[in-house]
Amino acid sequence: QVQLQESGPGLVKPSQTLSLTCSVSGGSITSGDYYWSWIRQPPGKGLEWIGYIFYGGSTYYNPSLKGRVTISVDASKNHFSLNLTSVTAADTAVYFCARDLSGWGRFHFWGQGTTVTVSS
Amino acid sequence: QSVLTQPPSASGTPGQRVTISCSGRSSSIGSNYVFWYQQFPGTAPKLLIYNDDQRPSGVPDRFSGSKSGTSASLAISGLRSEDEADYYCASWDDTLSGVLFGGGTKLTVL
Repeated sequence: QVQLQESGPGLVKPSQTLSLTCSVSGGSITSGDYYWSWIRQPPGKGLEWIGYIFYGGSTYYNPSLKGRVTISVDASKNHFSLNLTSVTAADTAVYFCARDLSGWGRFHFWGQGTTVTVSS
Repeated sequence: QSVLTQPPSASGTPGQRVTISCSGRSSSIGSNYVFWYQQFPGTAPKLLIYNDDQRPSGVPDRFSGSKSGTSASLAISGLRSEDEADYYCASWDDTLSGVLFGGGTKLTVL
């Protein structure tokens, strides 16, 4: 059974870069046709897809994030990462990592989520 | 930014059948699969329905999905108190080249 676990700072200052890592256990990040994804949920609000990376290099990002987002894979550590630059209070959210089986939104494994607050 | 429209709330009594709608457009639901997620407070969402109407193993057959044109629906029959949760639809959008989520529907079991 694949398990995902998010990690990273819980507090980030405005204008700085939010960096999170999702550690994958129970399977190799390089095996299978999976799309390693980030999704977030602002307090009291709905889900927002941030983007995903397909091992081998293809990435897709939410256009609303206007070029601030980068998702990368480190196969040697069996994890993938999220970098979100120039953060504001609007980026305060619970951040989930997930594995998409299809690339179209079939998120069949999720991490438990990590709360990130943007505040000075 | 959500262009998948869901009612913000729905309710029913135990044993009833309730449906939750998800309205999109030709570039999303009209040409791509729909997925449904169930989320309890403080937890990660769980996949309930994939590819419009398929249930992952372990999901009770009380949950069913359907799609027609640019709209989709999640139906829950034999409603139980433990079904009280938030429900989200999701679909790929060809115009945006990304996954869209609906705004979510809070289901209350009266």
